[in-house]
Amino acid sequence: GENVEQHPSTLSVQEGDSAVIKCTYSDSASNYFPWYKQELGKRPQLIIDIRSNVGEKKDQRIAVTLNKTAKHFSLHITETQPEDSAVYFCAASIRASGGSYIPTFGRGTSLIVHP
Amino acid sequence: NAGVTQTPKFRVLKTGQSMTLLCAQDMNHEYMYWYRQDPGMGLRLIHYSVGEGTTAKGEVPDGYNVSRLKKQNFLLGLESAAPSQTSVYFCASSSTSRGAYEQYFGPGTRLTVT
Repeated sequence: GENVEQHPSTLSVQEGDSAVIKCTYSDSASNYFPWYKQELGKRPQLIIDIRSNVGEKKDQRIAVTLNKTAKHFSLHITETQPEDSAVYFCAASIRASGGSYIPTFGRGTSLIVHP
Repeated sequence: NAGVTQTPKFRVLKTGQSMTLLCAQDMNHEYMYWYRQDPGMGLRLIHYSVGEGTTAKGEVPDGYNVSRLKKQNFLLGLESAAPSQTSVYFCASSSTSRGAYEQYFGPGTRLTVT
């Protein structure tokens, strides 16, 4: 199976609602979990990240939670706004054959916020 | 400080032609990566490098070669382009020896192979 699975693939919400995107990973040694936002035609940009020694992190309307035992992490966006509409990618650092930890991405979630 | 730049931004190739995509970063990052992005498939790693003179295969390396002769540059080559290589290509870089920190992406190269 995939190293990082992301759900849902599409999420449609009304402005002001909350949005939650979930990811699971396979490598128990993974220690870094970033989330990237990609607007149409633009490059991915980091919006928040969390390390394996932390269970939750918040930055204004965005929060990420990590459950190491269950090997899953989630992105929470509260009070969504139309400008939050974008594709969101989760990633987990996966141990490569040479011992390096290489980010592996989920397939992305297209978030649509309706005014 | 330009960050990560990619050359060219757009390219159209005929089947069988070759080309090289150039990625440059001015942040003194050790790690550099090449991804391809196709609809519904996310970002798939083609090759990566953990330092000058080193390269390693990612998830989808077939049909591509890379070189990292200088720390700031990472080249992606297509020796004989195929329509299946039509995609948007992103280069990225990150710091630290464990690659466990923020990746900075270039603006992307849109490649069409006819």
